[in-house]
Amino acid sequence: NAGVTQTPKFQVLKTGQSMTLQCAQDMNHEYMSWYRQDPGMGLRLIHYSVGAGITDQGEVPNGYNVSRSTTEDFPLRLLSAAPSQTSVYFCASSSLIGAANEQFFGPGTRLTVL
Amino acid sequence: AQTVTQSQPEMSVQEAETVTLSCTYDTSENNYYLFWYKQPPSRQMILVIRQEAYKQQNATENRFSVNFQKAAKSFSLKISDSQLGDTAMYFCAFIPEYNNNDMRFGAGTRLTVKP
Repeated sequence: NAGVTQTPKFQVLKTGQSMTLQCAQDMNHEYMSWYRQDPGMGLRLIHYSVGAGITDQGEVPNGYNVSRSTTEDFPLRLLSAAPSQTSVYFCASSSLIGAANEQFFGPGTRLTVL
Repeated sequence: AQTVTQSQPEMSVQEAETVTLSCTYDTSENNYYLFWYKQPPSRQMILVIRQEAYKQQNATENRFSVNFQKAAKSFSLKISDSQLGDTAMYFCAFIPEYNNNDMRFGAGTRLTVKP
């Protein structure tokens, strides 16, 4: 049981490049989410999903796309990277609809946009 | 919108002593959930403790306990018998019951436990 896994752990992009951050969980959780963590700030919700085929925006969705074709996977896409997207990105999942139960977090991806 | 404030960017404590981390929040909701998460240098986020606003009894998990003051909108974390492994960033978080996907985090408190 690997829990929540994220790849890659580190990534450097140039402005305007695109990439996908991968997230997978093997706990059969319905709820998955993406957060970004910036210095001096707490985690902020980017997008979330309450099940396969259902996604919605969080607090800071601009510049990011998501899809949920399976229960296990929830990739985050940066279509045209900007320096403001330099951050640490966390994926999380939980067993019930909504986030009021314990969320299990992945190890994070540190992204630098030059 | 809900906000969560952690007024102590950094704290330190001697091993085996007790430390209290502060958290206040702003909401007009009556029903919600509060959390403390720990983030050690490994970056992994770990749930420490959770409190449901409709429960008056303060939550406790081994050496970790909270002081939940609903009227004051305060949710402090007390760590007893501090251990070196408690060194980490600690985040307070809030979820309103009506939209329990809208989790808000404080900016965090960096706790260092000294030997």
